[in-house]
Amino acid sequence: GAGVSQTPSNKVTEKGKYVELRCDPISGHTALYWYRQSLGQGPEFLIYFQGTGAADDSGLPNDRFFAVRPEGSVSTLKIQRTERGDSAVYLCASSLGQGLDTQYFGPGTRLTVL
Amino acid sequence: AQKVTQAQTEISVVEKEDVTLDCVYETRDTTYYLFWYKQPPSGELVFLIRRNSFDEQNEISGRYSWNFQKSTSSFNFTITASQVVDSAVYFCALSRMNRDDKIIFGKGTRLHILP
Repeated sequence: GAGVSQTPSNKVTEKGKYVELRCDPISGHTALYWYRQSLGQGPEFLIYFQGTGAADDSGLPNDRFFAVRPEGSVSTLKIQRTERGDSAVYLCASSLGQGLDTQYFGPGTRLTVL
Repeated sequence: AQKVTQAQTEISVVEKEDVTLDCVYETRDTTYYLFWYKQPPSGELVFLIRRNSFDEQNEISGRYSWNFQKSTSSFNFTITASQVVDSAVYFCALSRMNRDDKIIFGKGTRLHILP
């Protein structure tokens, strides 16, 4: 079946602009996660959704970052007033959400803030 | 606090050699999962294995094997008879058990298999 998909694959923006990154999880997966991977580092957790609600947003670095999942499927990560330090690959993962399931990752969106 | 340490930043071996990637973890939880993921040059994270803290049996899958030792908080990964296609960044990771919890990743080990 189809895996996790993310769009766009690449996004270049200017400092101060607003961006939206989209994640389409595996069908039937109720849990959805966002991670950020900076160059040479492992992925770092940002936020986790169970259904429509954010169950854990402790990884969001500041209030410029926000994510939604209004219908419990597709999620959008929103970044306001982007800064050069936001440049990274943003990864989305999904799982069945039963507490015992593995997270499967999408290909990521590479965000570059000029 | 949870932490994963992969001390080897980069390893190069010649094809057909065996190679072991080290992973040491820290957690206060008594139950947890350990993972290995592969990230090839294409960038997508590929799930390789998940082990739970109850099961210290070593696991083998083809040319891959994993050695979990709770006494030393290690979960090492060995590739036998390495191939050029094994070239990638490998991440060891940790999460709590029995809840949909975030995964804590190490910084990764970049593996180069030389032809």
